[in-house]
Amino acid sequence: QQQVRQSSQSLTVWEGETAILNCSYENSAFDYFPWYQQFPGEGPALLIAIRSVSDKKEDGRFTIFFNKREKNLSLHIKDSQPGDSATYFCAASRNAGAKLTFGGGTRLTVRP
Amino acid sequence: GPKVLQIPSHQIIDMGQMVTLNCDPVSNHLYFYWYKQILGQQMEFLVNFYNGKVMEKSKLFKDQFSVERPDGSYFTLKIQPTALEDSAVYFCASSPGGDGNTLYFGEGSRLIVV
Repeated sequence: QQQVRQSSQSLTVWEGETAILNCSYENSAFDYFPWYQQFPGEGPALLIAIRSVSDKKEDGRFTIFFNKREKNLSLHIKDSQPGDSATYFCAASRNAGAKLTFGGGTRLTVRP
Repeated sequence: GPKVLQIPSHQIIDMGQMVTLNCDPVSNHLYFYWYKQILGQQMEFLVNFYNGKVMEKSKLFKDQFSVERPDGSYFTLKIQPTALEDSAVYFCASSPGGDGNTLYFGEGSRLIVV
């Protein structure tokens, strides 16, 4: 049973478009949801995160929309750039120190 | 940002031999983790560690696996003996704990068991 699920394994958008990456989760006890960006050959790097008390978090071109009732969230990348091409992981955890449970990742390709 | 260092970056080892993967976590971080990733796919949780003890481990953390952080030095993952299915990239992470749960990952140690 996958506790964190990302609906698309891959997504392709044109430069300048908004990329939307979706994620859903099973465990109602999850209260912290980070998104990680990973380039080939590198470790995942934190991009943006949200707590379950919020429904939106924005940081520059990146925005998380969170729906606690539906147990889903999405990452919007505005004005996508070719340099945003990477794999994006949705993750969730319950409390400080607890493990992060990752989704399967979405490989984003931004075409110039 | 904070840096987690992993040594070695890659290693090829014969099946049945022992391997130790080393992690230098962010200083003052309290929680430490190992994850396994195959072919750039899902990050699979192996184990987390706090105050000298394993907090939680997954089914992937077989009996042949062990972790320790002697005297606050490297946080290590040891596999003895190795098996072919242990071939993967192993990522170490550390976290300060507290509000939220931001994990900072290293660049990974690519292990190839032949």
